[in-house]
Amino acid sequence: DAKTTQPTSMDCAEGRAANLPCNHSTISGNEYVYWYRQIHSQGPQYIIHGLKNNETNEMASLIITEDRKSSTLILPHATLRDTAVYYCIVRVAMAGANSKLTFGKGITLSVRP
Amino acid sequence: DSGVTQTPKHLITATGQRVTLRCSPRSGDLSVYWYQQSLDQGLQFLIQYYNGEERAKGNILERFSAQQFPDLHSELNLSSLELGDSALYFCASTGDRGYGDEQFFGPGTRLTVL
Repeated sequence: DAKTTQPTSMDCAEGRAANLPCNHSTISGNEYVYWYRQIHSQGPQYIIHGLKNNETNEMASLIITEDRKSSTLILPHATLRDTAVYYCIVRVAMAGANSKLTFGKGITLSVRP
Repeated sequence: DSGVTQTPKHLITATGQRVTLRCSPRSGDLSVYWYQQSLDQGLQFLIQYYNGEERAKGNILERFSAQQFPDLHSELNLSSLELGDSALYFCASTGDRGYGDEQFFGPGTRLTVL
């Protein structure tokens, strides 16, 4: 699986958009970008994933650059409950592939009141 | 609530002992993954079972083993425990494709080896 690079930490004000960047310059054509988060020792929680088109769900938006070498997770209106470690993960999603998740160190998002 | 349950929530034991961690996947999910999260290693994949069969193996020690039963629940057995095995152990489940789907994680079992 391609390696990802994320800043160590960032913060944002409550109610503002949080934009979390991720670099995955070695991503290959059959690899998807996934985002998970972990709130203080709880089990990781799936947020969103995409291949090359931008994606949006009730939790967040995922913007993937045209060359797919980087992406941004956007939490449109961050709340205190969004304070967590956010993991950007790249992996193949096809039959026969190992569908394990390879977690890096992630980015710690702190939402301030 | 992800629908994945893990028991026990906390486990304290001594070096050299053996413990069993249990995971019940979401209803209908065929695939179970086990992960270990320690302070120095982060979240690491251990092993995956799909419908009772081992599908993938990660950095799982030989002292550790797992199985998935016909009712799809899974157990992770840790033996000859060492201090370094102290960690959070998570299981996750996915749907019947067994690949590529979002993984739903349980609340974890915190293991402390004294």
